[in-house]
Amino acid sequence: QKEVEQDPGPLSVPEGAIVSLNCTYSNSAFQYFMWYRQYSRKGPELLMYTYSSGNKEDGRFTAQVDKSSKYISLFIRDSQPSDSATYLCAMREAGNNRKLIWGLGTSLAVNP
Amino acid sequence: DAGVIQSPRHEVTEMGQEVTLRCKPISGHNSLFWYRQTMMRGLELLIYFNNNVPIDDSGMPEDRFSAKMPNASFSTLKIQPSEPRDSAVYFCASRVSDEQFFGPGTRLTVL
Repeated sequence: QKEVEQDPGPLSVPEGAIVSLNCTYSNSAFQYFMWYRQYSRKGPELLMYTYSSGNKEDGRFTAQVDKSSKYISLFIRDSQPSDSATYLCAMREAGNNRKLIWGLGTSLAVNP
Repeated sequence: DAGVIQSPRHEVTEMGQEVTLRCKPISGHNSLFWYRQTMMRGLELLIYFNNNVPIDDSGMPEDRFSAKMPNASFSTLKIQPSEPRDSAVYFCASRVSDEQFFGPGTRLTVL
């Protein structure tokens, strides 16, 4: 079993839909959780960053962490065609020199 | 700032040849990462450096792979000899705080 599991999709939704992207993990020591967005033929870029449990909102994006269930989510409201990309979750333990553990990424297509 | 710069952007080579990938991190970032990305395995960390010193190279697949960071503004990843299974996109990233900034990647095809 991989440390971080993420459904690769692809996920296809109409413009304006609410999108839910999810990752599960097995390591209870993970404390820092991130979502990166990767457009086709580009490098990933950081989208959301959360520490420990709870919600964080940034515009149309909400990141949610449920440490009791070892489950993180990214919600996209009012999805736009420009949101079409691959979304990767990443997480790490606390402490210096702790490397990120990555999900495989979920491919999302928002259709106009 | 130009961001992380990688070269070449595309490389096609034949099995057995040496391949050298290059990376210039963002100025002031003291951590540098080399990743490999494939559809099957996703994004895999190969090696990372802090202040030009290799910290974790446990992801380097085998002795055919080597990486150097001779100074704060330059790093190389070398594959010798290359094999078809090395075909992938190789990313370099540099970090400030907890955010990694990725370069555009080098798409490597080994025939």
